[in-house]
Amino acid sequence: DAKTTQPPSMDCAEGRAANLPCNHSTISGNEYVYWYRQIHSQGPQYIIHGLKNNETNEMASLIITEDRKSSTLILPHATLRDTAVYYCIVRAYMEYGNKLVFGAGTILRVKS
Amino acid sequence: DTGVSQDPRHKITKRGQNVTFRCDPISEHNRLYWYRQTLGQGPEFLTYFQNEAQLEKSRLLSDRFSAERPKGSFSTLEIQRTEQGDSAMYLCASGGGGGNQPQHFGDGTRLSIL
Repeated sequence: DAKTTQPPSMDCAEGRAANLPCNHSTISGNEYVYWYRQIHSQGPQYIIHGLKNNETNEMASLIITEDRKSSTLILPHATLRDTAVYYCIVRAYMEYGNKLVFGAGTILRVKS
Repeated sequence: DTGVSQDPRHKITKRGQNVTFRCDPISEHNRLYWYRQTLGQGPEFLTYFQNEAQLEKSRLLSDRFSAERPKGSFSTLEIQRTEQGDSAMYLCASGGGGGNQPQHFGDGTRLSIL
């Protein structure tokens, strides 16, 4: 699976949009981009995933560049509860499922 | 959808003892994964089940580790002769549908070896 690069940490003001970047310049055509987050002492929480089109759900939006070499996770109105480690993961499609390979992630601190 | 359930949440044991953890996946999810997470690191893959078949094992899964999913529902992870280095959070995840569908994680079992 392709390797991803994320900034080690970011700060965001409460109520503002949090934009978390991820670089995956070696992504292959059958690889999806997944975002998870992990709040202290909890398991990772699935946020969103996409292949090439932008995606939006109740938690966040995922913007994937046209060349698919990078993406941005957007939390539209960050709250203190969004403080967590955010993982960007690229995973190839396999009919019977595939493991996730986690990097170090980005520590997002939302401040009041 | 009650989520992925793991038991126990915490386990403290002496070095050399055997421990067993249980994972109950989201009902009807046919894929089940085990991961291990040490402090300050992201989770690392251990093993994967498709129904009752164990399809992939990581090199991290030494001979002291064994996992089962006997009826394709719940799964157990056993560690024999525990060592200090086994201290970690053990996470279970399940997934259903097509291969691109996301995995959903439980809150893990934290193992501490005295």
